[in-house]
Amino acid sequence: DGGITQSPKYLFRKEGQNVTLSCEQNLNHDAMYWYRQDPGQGLRLIYYSQIVNDFQKGDIAEGYSVSREKKESFPLTVTSAQKNPTAFYLCASSHTANYEQYFGPGTRLTVT
Amino acid sequence: KQEVTQIPAALSVPEGENLVLNCSFTDSAIYNLQWFRQDPGKGLTSLLLIQSSQREQTSGRLNASLDKSSGRSTLYIAASQPGDSATYLCAVSLSGGGADGLTFGKGTHLIIQP
Repeated sequence: DGGITQSPKYLFRKEGQNVTLSCEQNLNHDAMYWYRQDPGQGLRLIYYSQIVNDFQKGDIAEGYSVSREKKESFPLTVTSAQKNPTAFYLCASSHTANYEQYFGPGTRLTVT
Repeated sequence: KQEVTQIPAALSVPEGENLVLNCSFTDSAIYNLQWFRQDPGKGLTSLLLIQSSQREQTSGRLNASLDKSSGRSTLYIAASQPGDSATYLCAVSLSGGGADGLTFGKGTHLIIQP
């Protein structure tokens, strides 16, 4: 089955620790994205990547970092510099033909 | 900066009714517009994609229209069913190229009463 996988589904961390969220896709999509969703708010773009070894900051990149070493993978690191990291994180990918975005199941991160 | 607004924020209707969800955006220079469905605690499911050159798209009981010049889109759901209960999200591309990510509205929370 083609799709996007995110792991883990739930993640708990202590304040001050860095944590990495996984995102893998087997759709052969060039573009990948990370969004954050908070209760009562729309999704907000954190980082995006259009090709391997290249990525750009979105609207709320502060406190986050990414890498794109393989076409299939786009991990997101939530650093200790992120002031309010508790949220639902969603990864997406799209083909460059029409940029229709497909989403993974999400990772719920709780930092205490 | 692009802003997307969805009205109403919540809607509850009896099963079988036809309904319309509204989406407006401030900058008409979009590449495409997508409607998504989100069930509680889950990821987003793409429902319809409308390119900027298109006026509407249809999939089963769903029809989405786009009026780019006025910055509006509507999602029409025919003969609603309890399984349609979910949050519906509208999103537009940030740039003319479409590759730079989406700007989302806050969604319409829809409840279909059996």
